[in-house]
Amino acid sequence: EVQLVESGGGLVKPGGSLRLSCAVSGFTFSGTTMNWVRQAPGRGLEWVASISRSGSHIFYADSIKGRFTISRDNAKHSLYLQLNSLRAEDTAVYYCASDLIAVAVTYWGQGTPVTVSS
Amino acid sequence: SDELTQPPSVSVSPGQSASITCSGDALPKQYAYWYQQKPGQAPFLVISRDNERPSGIPERFSGSTSGTTVTLTISGVQAEDEADYYCQSADSTGAFVIFGGGTKLTVL
Repeated sequence: EVQLVESGGGLVKPGGSLRLSCAVSGFTFSGTTMNWVRQAPGRGLEWVASISRSGSHIFYADSIKGRFTISRDNAKHSLYLQLNSLRAEDTAVYYCASDLIAVAVTYWGQGTPVTVSS
Repeated sequence: SDELTQPPSVSVSPGQSASITCSGDALPKQYAYWYQQKPGQAPFLVISRDNERPSGIPERFSGSTSGTTVTLTISGVQAEDEADYYCQSADSTGAFVIFGGGTKLTVL
């Protein structure tokens, strides 16, 4: 059974930091590009970042570039997102997802909520 | 820029067909995916690679493509199909994931 389990979300003050984690099982993690996608309250889905299988290719949305860092540990089957310099507009549910481009099936976690508020 | 445009809302009576469109310049070159999302839940893949139905998805869900527009069609809509639907693809370089703004499907 495929499972993607996010953790690390919570309430943080503006300017603060958080580190999100995603534990993956049920598919070959090291062979799959991974993504973070977020959804602000009442809004649509927004792609945040992607990282290639080896971590050698990383892409970010312009809205978070320079503040967020995506990384992975293939030995631990885990994906990470370091969130720095957080703003109120970063408030969202953050989803971990498998490769979303040119694949037959995509896998998503249930999301972890991040609230940025003073 | 590579964007995907969806209508904000579509309404349909039970048993009728609903069509949700998604337009974007990159669509002739990139696969499209369709997700169903119900309140408080994660997105759920209903159509893959333009027109493929993942295992377990009812036959009433289908996808089609024509030029810069892809379409999700739900035939014989049921009350349980009421949800937000998002199209997703990649930009023209194939490096960046892009989402449509979402369409709220209301079953009257």
